[in-house]
Amino acid sequence: EVQLVQSGAEVKKPGESLKLSCKGSGYTFSNHWIVWVRQMPGKGLEWMGIIYPGDSDTRYSPSFQGQVTMSADKSISTAFLRWSSLEASDSAIYYCARSLSEGAAGYWRGVDVWGQGTTVTVSS
Amino acid sequence: QSVLTQPPSVSGAPGQRVTISCTGSRFSIGAGYDVHWYQQLAGAAPKLLIYGNTNRPSGVPDRFSGSKSGTSASLAITGLLAEDEADYYCQSYDSRMTDWFFGGGTRLTVL
Repeated sequence: EVQLVQSGAEVKKPGESLKLSCKGSGYTFSNHWIVWVRQMPGKGLEWMGIIYPGDSDTRYSPSFQGQVTMSADKSISTAFLRWSSLEASDSAIYYCARSLSEGAAGYWRGVDVWGQGTTVTVSS
Repeated sequence: QSVLTQPPSVSGAPGQRVTISCTGSRFSIGAGYDVHWYQQLAGAAPKLLIYGNTNRPSGVPDRFSGSKSGTSASLAITGLLAEDEADYYCQSYDSRMTDWFFGGGTRLTVL
C-alpha cells in the first residue's frame, strides 16, 4: 500500500524551532515530488512548496519562501519541513502529499496520496 | 482577490446534480494549465478527485466529472449522496505568479 505517514502533533512556544517529517512507503520515494500544504484553522488549503527527493530540487511558494525549509532524505524515504523560529500564526495543520506521476511530469499532475496531517500549535 | 475563485457554498438534494465552478485567468486556466480537484471530508486529509481537468483516479466514482473551458473549470457531481457532503478545492498553476494555487474551497451541503 502506498502511504505517507506524518509525525505527531506538536505544541510549541513562539521562537522555538520545529521539524516535521513525512515518511513514504510502498513506492519509490525518490521518483515522486512531495508537496507541503498548510491549512489554518477553519480555512482552505495553501500550497507551501514542493521538493523532488531524487535530487532535492525545491520550489517554494513566495508566501513561504524564507519562512520554512523543505528537505528530503531519500535513503530513509522521508521529507521534512522545518521552522527555525515559530510564530503563533504558524498554528495550522500541515499536510504532505505525493505527486501522481513520477519524474518531471509529476510536477504538473496533481497529488494523489496525502499524509494524515500534523497539527502544530504555537502558543505562549 | 484569489487567483482561483470558487463559490463558498453549494447545496443539493440527494440524487440531484450540482456543479462547482473554478474561475481563473489567462495566466492560469486560460493559459492551458491543468486543473485538479480535491475532496476534503470533515476532519480528514484531502483526496484527489479529478486530475488533468477530466481524469478520475481509480476508485473515484463516475458520478464525479471535470470539465474546462476558457478561463474556468467545473466539477460536476451527479446522483448526490449524503457522503458527498464535504469541502471541494480546485488547483491550478499561475504563470504570472509562477506558483501553484488552490481555490478558496466550496462547501457542499446535501440537503
